[in-house]
Amino acid sequence: GQQLNQSPQSMFIQEGEDVSMNCTSSSIFNTWLWYKQDPGEGPVLLIALYKAGELTSNGRLTAQFGITRKDSFLNISASIPSDVGIYFCAGQLKGGSEKLVFGKGTKLTVNP
Amino acid sequence: NAGVTQTPKFQVLKTGQSMTLQCAQDMNHEYMSWYRQDPGMGLRLIHYSVGAGITDQGEVPNGYNVSRSTTEDFPLRLLSAAPSQTSVYFCASSYVRGYEQYFGPGTRLTVT
Repeated sequence: GQQLNQSPQSMFIQEGEDVSMNCTSSSIFNTWLWYKQDPGEGPVLLIALYKAGELTSNGRLTAQFGITRKDSFLNISASIPSDVGIYFCAGQLKGGSEKLVFGKGTKLTVNP
Repeated sequence: NAGVTQTPKFQVLKTGQSMTLQCAQDMNHEYMSWYRQDPGMGLRLIHYSVGAGITDQGEVPNGYNVSRSTTEDFPLRLLSAAPSQTSVYFCASSYVRGYEQYFGPGTRLTVT
C-alpha cells in the first residue's frame, strides 16, 4: 500500500521548547490531516489542509501543506506538558480514492 | 451530539469465538470506516462504507465482516477470533470521502 514516512518516530523535549515533525511521500496528496492521540483514547483531529502551500494555525499548532503536494509539517510552539501524546499525519491520495493513508506517528514526551 | 461511539470499550475472547464491535455516529456522516491499531504499525484500514448499503475492503479485511444497514451504524464482525486480531479497533466517520474523519474512543480486544 501507499506509505507515508513520518518523522521523527519519537521526541523528548523540555517544556517551553518548539517542536517540528513532518510527513513525506513519493505520492501526491489532495488532503493532509494532523491528529493527536492521548493514551487510551481515539485520535483527535487538530488541523486539516486542502490546498498546496496552505498554512493553517490552531492555537500553538501550525501545519503546512507542501508545495509539491507530497509532504506536510506540523509545528508546536512553546510546548506544555499536555502536548504529550502521539501525533499522526494522514493524507488522501490524489486520484479520487476515499481512503486515508496514515503515518506511523510521532510520540512526543514533554519534560516539565 | 455524542459524535462517534463504540462499544464495548474492552473485550476478551477465546480463539474461535465470534463477536460484533458496535459503532454509531449521530453526525449524519455518509462515510464510516474501521481501523486497527497495533504497536509500531499506525492505523490500518479494515473496511469502509461510503453510505448505507455500500461497503468495501480496506488494507487488512481478512477475518472481518461489515454491513451498513443505516447511516448511523457500522458494526464490525469477527467471525472466528484469532490471537492475531488482538488489537485496538477504532471506528471513524466523515461527511465526505477521506476528509476530516472523526474517531471513536476505541475497543481494546484481546484474543487468547
